[in-house]
Amino acid sequence: DVKVTQSSRYLVKRTGEKVFLECVQDMDHENMFWYRQDPGLGLRLIYFSYDVKMKEKGDIPEGYSVSREKKERFSLILESASTNQTSMYLCASRSGGAGFADTQYFGPGTRLTVL
Amino acid sequence: DAKTTQPNSMESNEEEPVHLPCNHSTISGTDYIHWYRQLPSQGPEYVIHGLTSNVNNRMASLAIAEDRKSSTLILHRATLRDAAVYYCILDAYSGAGSYQLTFGKGTKLSVIP
Repeated sequence: DVKVTQSSRYLVKRTGEKVFLECVQDMDHENMFWYRQDPGLGLRLIYFSYDVKMKEKGDIPEGYSVSREKKERFSLILESASTNQTSMYLCASRSGGAGFADTQYFGPGTRLTVL
Repeated sequence: DAKTTQPNSMESNEEEPVHLPCNHSTISGTDYIHWYRQLPSQGPEYVIHGLTSNVNNRMASLAIAEDRKSSTLILHRATLRDAAVYYCILDAYSGAGSYQLTFGKGTKLSVIP
């Protein structure tokens, strides 16, 4: 079974702190994604990566950055956390490339609270 | 912007079939139709996907209209474990070497014992 794991299920941080959310997948997938999920807004794509050291902005990249130094690991970074970044963060991965659509696998999510 | 339209919520009786509709009138020829569901306190999980033909798997069936502007997810016998938010998604090529899912708000399915 594909596994996508996230470093924490729950996280509480203070405004202004630098926050790292880690995601690891064990299926050698090329593509990895970070979403946030808020009530009434659904899942929104923050960033994605289709290869090591490659990244693309999603729909709401402001206030976030990402890092992908190894194929299996995709990190989301909040440089200076703010209260409006309190949310559920979901990581996902999938294989495939141009012309091939495959299943996307999600991690369990990290519920981040910024005080 | 989400490219699909789904009812906000639906109810079903346990052990009865459920038909979850989805409209995607702006679908392009290369977009796949995906369905995912999200159980409470979990990440979304894949249910089924298709391009033009109807699809069946152990979880569900997907019926795709001939013009591809709508589709229906069919759960043949709803169980209490099927209570979840169901997302109909167009899987579009992002132009950056990857297909990309854009989630809408989904349909919250309640299953009545």
